[in-house]
Amino acid sequence: AQKVTQAQTEISVVEKEDVTLDCVYETRDTTYYLFWYKQPPSGELVFLIRRNSFDEQNEISGRYSWNFQKSTSSFNFTITASQVVDSAVYFCALFLIQGAQKLVFGQGTRLTINP
Amino acid sequence: DVKVTQSSRYLVKRTGEKVFLECVQDMDHENMFWYRQDPGLGLRLIYFSYDVKMKEKGDIPEGYSVSREKKERFSLILESASTNQTSMYLCASSQEVGRWDRNEKLLFGSGTQLSVL
Repeated sequence: AQKVTQAQTEISVVEKEDVTLDCVYETRDTTYYLFWYKQPPSGELVFLIRRNSFDEQNEISGRYSWNFQKSTSSFNFTITASQVVDSAVYFCALFLIQGAQKLVFGQGTRLTINP
Repeated sequence: DVKVTQSSRYLVKRTGEKVFLECVQDMDHENMFWYRQDPGLGLRLIYFSYDVKMKEKGDIPEGYSVSREKKERFSLILESASTNQTSMYLCASSQEVGRWDRNEKLLFGSGTQLSVL
């Protein structure tokens, strides 16, 4: 069965702190994609990153970085020097392409950055 | 600007009503998806479609049906709305995976908050 687990339901930090959002996934497929989406209070899902299962390079984009480890089935997201505008719900998701092509979401982590 | 458009942002219906949620994409995407979002449960897949007139059940299809008569439009139908279908409904679309480039992703609409009274 395919599953994505975001164990942290809510995180609250003070501005400028670094924060890591955990994501663990389960699948028997050998080829898949992993995503992170941000959902600000406005409700729209904003794409952050896509990672292919065969590419374990970590990625950095400004204050955002992602650590993909296939050996532990994890795809963690770190925000460095957090800002109030980073407050949102963050979703990790697994896209299956063998058989049914569909996106399976984790439960989401609500991140609150306090000034 | 490419986008996925959901016809209503807020909708209030009564128990037993037939409800149509409409989704239109302007990117000529093959794949379209309907999710519902509930606190603590994340997004759960209701139905998806790979092409016109094709549909597949997702993880929670009970109480819902879909229609895809044209490539750009994917409708979610609640045959007889019930209070436990009060939720945020999100539509998404993407190209067929075989044509994905490095930056391809699922694009989401703004969502429809449905309240069933």
